[in-house]
Amino acid sequence: DAGITQSPRHKVTETGTPVTLRCHQTENHRYMYWYRQDPGHGLRLIHYSYGVKDTDKGEVSDGYSVSRSKTEDFLLTLESATSSQTSVYFCAIKSTGMNTEAFFGQGTRLTVV
Amino acid sequence: GENVEQHPSTLSVQEGDSAVIKCTYSDSASNYFPWYKQELGKRPQLIIDIRSNVGEKKDQRIAVTLNKTAKHFSLHITETQPEDSAVYFCAATRWGADKLIFGTGTRLQVFP
Repeated sequence: DAGITQSPRHKVTETGTPVTLRCHQTENHRYMYWYRQDPGHGLRLIHYSYGVKDTDKGEVSDGYSVSRSKTEDFLLTLESATSSQTSVYFCAIKSTGMNTEAFFGQGTRLTVV
Repeated sequence: GENVEQHPSTLSVQEGDSAVIKCTYSDSASNYFPWYKQELGKRPQLIIDIRSNVGEKKDQRIAVTLNKTAKHFSLHITETQPEDSAVYFCAATRWGADKLIFGTGTRLQVFP
């Protein structure tokens, strides 16, 4: 498996609380992505990063923020968690160049009650 | 930006039959099309990919075809086996693009 880990793997939180998910890589890949996976919607891109301190929005970025202060870490923050953000969150990494494989983390199951 | 549509959302086949999953993309500049397989409770993993300068690519029982004119590409699985049961995602991207956009996924069930 590629060197990518997500933490925590499972979390239950209350509506209105902030939550931070962490993605850590040991591959020194340039690109890092956060996706959410929901039935019927597949993998939807939340935010992505193309370098340290370089991030951009994806398809479903409202209510989420990200930060990347080091190459190896990409943090996803739910500023004020809502029940609609209950989902499985996947981080992915990809190197530069064409035709490069994206490697996914194990996923984080987040439940907002 | 790129938009990828994937059909069908679910597909049930008998073991030994073939399965076909189709995707269409919107950005004519897209030139790389990977397919990922996600087994139950696991992470998505790349199973095959194709570049725009190739019309077809095969790897044992799986193949991918690309029609650039129509902007669609398909995954073909022959002689399906129960272990092929999974969710399959297509994606489309292009050289220099940062984003990686996936289709909505197809849940394939292979019945013995």
